[in-house]
Amino acid sequence: GAGVSQSPSNKVTEKGKDVELRCDPISGHTALYWYRQSLGQGLEFLIYFQGNSAPDKSGLPSDRFSAERTGGSVSTLTIQRTQQEDSAVYLCASSVDRGYQPQHFGDGTRLSIL
Amino acid sequence: AQKVTQAQTEISVVEKEDVTLDCVYETRDTTYYLFWYKQPPSGELVFLIRRNSFDEQNEISGRYSWNFQKSTSSFNFTITASQVVDSAVYFCALGGGNAGKSTFGDGTTLTVKP
Repeated sequence: GAGVSQSPSNKVTEKGKDVELRCDPISGHTALYWYRQSLGQGLEFLIYFQGNSAPDKSGLPSDRFSAERTGGSVSTLTIQRTQQEDSAVYLCASSVDRGYQPQHFGDGTRLSIL
Repeated sequence: AQKVTQAQTEISVVEKEDVTLDCVYETRDTTYYLFWYKQPPSGELVFLIRRNSFDEQNEISGRYSWNFQKSTSSFNFTITASQVVDSAVYFCALGGGNAGKSTFGDGTTLTVKP
């Protein structure tokens, strides 16, 4: 498809389990962002990838969170030993270039930790 | 550091009323970009507009208009003759400069009642 694709759409898991969330950005977009949005809240920045540069991880809330971007395209956000407070919608966005260009968002992954 | 403030958390209007969503930003960069995004109840964030710091011309697109004033560091968004379909959360964002990534405001929830 032409847009940002995220999978799964929904994920329900037990506390303590690890989860992987996937983002497939728009082809040719060099910048990729992960955000977290809790119910009724704003966007919480998590991590930002730009081309081959080292990612900006300043928004990751703890060392249980990590992300990688392989081949400058697909990205995976991993949450280890999930906690109930990790429950949220995780949004991925991509853009043609850095902060100069608008971001195109995926539909998000709704993560629920039981 | 960059900061975006959307002081209005929630706004409720009756259909056909005009409504203005406020956005105030802070940055030390001389070159930067401002954005507005819309997140309807369905959830997907959609880009509406981008302005750069050198272009203070107001922009109008149908019922939507944007007023950018560097003197007050504001980038306000007005919807004329609001409609129920305008009900959404609206986010203002600041990008470009040295940070690379964009900074989002906390969003304003607009409810348009019939």
